[in-house]
Amino acid sequence: QKEVEQDPGPLSVPEGAIVSLNCTYSNSAFQYFMWYRQYSRKGPELLMYTYSSGNKEDGRFTAQVDKSSKYISLFIRDSQPSDSATYLCAMTGPDSGYALNFGKGTSLLVTP
Amino acid sequence: KAGVTQTPRYLIKTRGQQVTLSCSPISGHRSVSWYQQTPGQGLQFLFEYFSETQRNKGNFPGRFSGRQFSNSRSEMNVSTLELGDSALYLCASSPGAGRTDTQYFGPGTRLTVL
Repeated sequence: QKEVEQDPGPLSVPEGAIVSLNCTYSNSAFQYFMWYRQYSRKGPELLMYTYSSGNKEDGRFTAQVDKSSKYISLFIRDSQPSDSATYLCAMTGPDSGYALNFGKGTSLLVTP
Repeated sequence: KAGVTQTPRYLIKTRGQQVTLSCSPISGHRSVSWYQQTPGQGLQFLFEYFSETQRNKGNFPGRFSGRQFSNSRSEMNVSTLELGDSALYLCASSPGAGRTDTQYFGPGTRLTVL
């Protein structure tokens, strides 16, 4: 079993919808939690970065971390067709030397 | 500021051959990490180099190796290629070791092993 689990989708939503993306993990030593966006034929781009539990908001994006449940979420409000991409969760901590542990990614399609 | 560059972008090799991939980090960044991305396993950490020293290594066989030069550019080498080595190889640079908050990825090198 991988340390980080993420539903691969695909997830298809209409433009303007609220999107919820989630990951679960098993390693309680993870301290830093990230969401990356990857467009086709591109490298991942860091969207959100959170330390420990709590919420973080940046524009239309909100990241939530619940360490007690080992569950992280990314919400996208007012989704746009340009948000269509693969979203990867990643997490790390001192026991892995701060190497990133990624979920397999969720493919999102926002239709006009 | 120029981003992370990787060369070549695409590569086709046959089983048993070896390959070298190159990564030029963002100017001023001293840490370079390498990842392998496949549909089956997703993104997996290979290794991280900081100041010409390997500071962290993932769970890959010894056929995968790397190095970093004094100008922070890094190369990754895979010897005795196997079909399963077909993947997108990504490098990421950051200002310091273990700085995942400021880690920027390159576009990757797509390696196909026939």
